[in-house]
Amino acid sequence: QVQLVQSGAEVKKPGASVKISCKASGYTFTYYYIHWVRQAPGQGLEWMGMINPSGGSTTYAQKFQGRVSMTRDTSTSTIYMDLNSLRSGDTAVYYCARVAYRSGGDYWGQGTLVNVSP
Amino acid sequence: DIQMTQSPSSLSASVGDRVTITCRASQSISKYLNWYQQKPGTAPKLLIYAASSLQSGVPSRFSGSGSGTDFTLTISSLQPEDFATYYCQQSYTSPFTFGQGTRLEIK
Repeated sequence: QVQLVQSGAEVKKPGASVKISCKASGYTFTYYYIHWVRQAPGQGLEWMGMINPSGGSTTYAQKFQGRVSMTRDTSTSTIYMDLNSLRSGDTAVYYCARVAYRSGGDYWGQGTLVNVSP
Repeated sequence: DIQMTQSPSSLSASVGDRVTITCRASQSISKYLNWYQQKPGTAPKLLIYAASSLQSGVPSRFSGSGSGTDFTLTISSLQPEDFATYYCQQSYTSPFTFGQGTRLEIK
């Protein structure tokens, strides 16, 4: 069965970086994009960017340009999302989602809470 | 960026009611509109993609319609498990923006 399993919760200081992993299984890794979406406490969903696991190409939301990096390891079917220069406003649950071209996220990871606190 | 506006922001309804949620895009997105359901503490669940295609495993009481800039999600007969927050998302062009959400509560 299709699964996306994310790494565990993180607590970070302002200015630090965080790296979250998303391990895919149960399907052909290179056939679907992986998108990252975050949700601040009590807030809505915010799209951050996506990666094509086939070639590694990425597209990021302008808001995160220069602070985010999405990479993949095809040998382990794992996607990584790095976010640097963390601030309190980055406190959120971060989700990875499997997405077919121009479709919606049909499988999601369980979410990773990142808490940015002094 | 394409702005997605949902209405209403919140809604109270009873079991058995027919409910409609609207999503408007700031420019045409053709049919590239998705609907999600989210319950507290869980990841979003895809209900509808491409405006009107029902995701596998989703009950048929959920339906979607629309194209261009105006879209609707309809729940034909509310069930207790349907009380949640609903989001639309455009998948026409990056950034793939979400609506602000519609919270569906029990009356």
